[in-house]
Parts: sequence; C-alpha cells; structure tokens
Amino acid sequence: AQTVTQSQPEMSVQEAETVTLSCTYDTSENNYYLFWYKQPPSRQMILVIRQEAYKQQNATENRFSVNFQKAAKSFSLKISDSQLGDTAMYFCAFMKRSRGDSNYQLIWGAGTKLIIKP
Amino acid sequence: GAVVSQHPSWVICKSGTSVKIECRSLDFQATTMFWYRQFPKQSLMLMATSNEGSKATYEQGVEKDKFLINHASLTLSTLTVTSAHPEDSSFYICSASIHGTEAFFGQGTRLTVV
Repeated sequence: AQTVTQSQPEMSVQEAETVTLSCTYDTSENNYYLFWYKQPPSRQMILVIRQEAYKQQNATENRFSVNFQKAAKSFSLKISDSQLGDTAMYFCAFMKRSRGDSNYQLIWGAGTKLIIKP
Repeated sequence: GAVVSQHPSWVICKSGTSVKIECRSLDFQATTMFWYRQFPKQSLMLMATSNEGSKATYEQGVEKDKFLINHASLTLSTLTVTSAHPEDSSFYICSASIHGTEAFFGQGTRLTVV
C-alpha cells in the first residue's frame, strides 16, 4: 500500500528566509503524480505544485520548487523568500489509480505546520 | 483552474437531525468526487468515493447508512449526515479530479452538532 510521510510536524522561519519541507513516500508504481497542497487558516486546500513521476525535471512555481528524487522516493518542497502569507499547513500527497477503475485517489501525508515570523 | 463549490460553508444542527452538504463542479464535469473528513490539526481522511450514476464506494469504518452520498449528475454530489450526533461534528471537504491529473477542492463545510 502506498504511504506518504511528512516527518516535520511544525516548522518556523523568519520572513524572507528559505525553508524546505520534507516528504517521503512508498509505492511500487512507476507512473504517478505528487503534489504539495497548502491549507491556510481559511481551510481551503490550495495546490502549490505538482510533479509528474515520469518527468525528471523538478517542478517550479515562482518561489516554490521541489526536489524530486524518484529512486529515493523523496519529494521535498522549497519555499524561497518566505512571506507571511505562506503561513499554513502544508500537505504532501500522492495520486494513484484505484484498482480496476478510473478513480484517482489521493494519499495524504500528516502535514507540516509552517509559521513565517515577521 | 477548475472550480469546485461546496455549500454550506458552515452549519449548526440539532442532535438527531439530518444535514445535507452539496458539492458542485462549476466549469467541468466530474465523474468522480471524493468526500473527506478532517479533524483539527490532522490530515484529510477519505470517507468515500462518489461515482456519477452509481453507488458510492465507502472506506473501511465509514458508516454508509449514516453518511449518504448521492452523485445524481456530472456536476453535483451530495453528502447527507443522517441522525447527526455531536461526534459527527467536523470539517467536511469534497474534491473532484480531472483525468486523474489534479484534484480540485471545495471550500469545506464546518458541521457542528449541538
């Protein structure tokens, strides 16, 4: 069974610093997607970045980038020039195809609470 | 990106009554929607997978008679919490996927049973 592990329950950095959130996963599949979602206090889930497993190039979205190590099954998120608005829960997720049908199910990590201090 | 609208955003109900939560895909057709429950400071727990035109698939431990899911059209799925009790108080979130490449989430519903 697929699992996603986020080993950092909480992190805190100063505004403008760079922070890296870790995520590891376990799967026997070769084709899948990995995601980082942000959940601010409003609790709306917001997609931060997506990585397709068959792409070797690390995904980037402005200040957000990932370090995708497929062999090591590692998918860390780096936030550069952190801003107060980055304060949120961050969830790492793995998307697999459910057995026998076209449903696509997300497997979630436990989350990391990120606090950006002024 | 695609928009998923969830309603209501919060609801308070009396113990023993039923509450319906709606999840709509506004600009795309969602053959599959997912319903999650989230406890404070925890991750999302998948409750069930809702399939248009067929019965929902419930995760182990989720009571299908208590959490009724209906996916009557390609743009609407509903979750009804029947005979609600205080322990059903939680944050419920729906999501939909397009071609299995990305999931889009509703705003969530905070249910309080008093």
